[in-house]
Amino acid sequence: GQNIDQPTEMTATEGAIVQINCTYQTSGFNGLFWYQQHAGEAPTFLSYNVLDGLEEKGRFSSFLSRSKGYSYLLLKELQMKDSASYLCAVKDSWGKLQFGAGTQVVVTP
Amino acid sequence: NAGVMQNPRHLVRRRGQEARLRCSPMKGHSHVYWYRQLPEEGLKFMVYLQKENIIDESGMPKERFSAEFPKEGPSILRIQQVVRGDSAAYFCASSPPRQTYEQYFGPGTRLTVT
Repeated sequence: GQNIDQPTEMTATEGAIVQINCTYQTSGFNGLFWYQQHAGEAPTFLSYNVLDGLEEKGRFSSFLSRSKGYSYLLLKELQMKDSASYLCAVKDSWGKLQFGAGTQVVVTP
Repeated sequence: NAGVMQNPRHLVRRRGQEARLRCSPMKGHSHVYWYRQLPEEGLKFMVYLQKENIIDESGMPKERFSAEFPKEGPSILRIQQVVRGDSAAYFCASSPPRQTYEQYFGPGTRLTVT
């Protein structure tokens, strides 16, 4: 089976940086994904890592260490609209995604 | 390009009735995945289908739930004899044939069982 762990909630102020950690234990690994989900809406794709290292995409960056079973999502220059749930997901060998419970990020003025 | 389409967006059923949820994948996508999200919880995988084939149904409850993706038409998730615990958001996602691509999610169907 698979186990995906991430913090339940994080709070940060507008303009700050927040790092959301995700640890995983898997029986198969075909990449790690980060999704953003606003309340009542569908998840939207943010990033994908399959090799170790940092992937940067604008204000969002994602890091992966396969040997440590660890990833993080870095959100820079936080904006109020970034208040959402951030989901870490591991894709297994068959293609399905196993999701963590999500981290609720609250951005305060 | 139209995204993943799901209908209905909201569905209310009484206990014991049947619920049918539909998903049309993005154009060119042949892989469909269904996920369920209970209130205040993360998404849980239910089933992975390709046209006319169930690839992985390890997340589907053994009873009352079934899924299909026919050669023509949308994928259907069917829940028979619904119970209150089936109340959740059901999301469909699709992806192109290559494994490395991300999955694109539809807007979801919010099922309420009264």
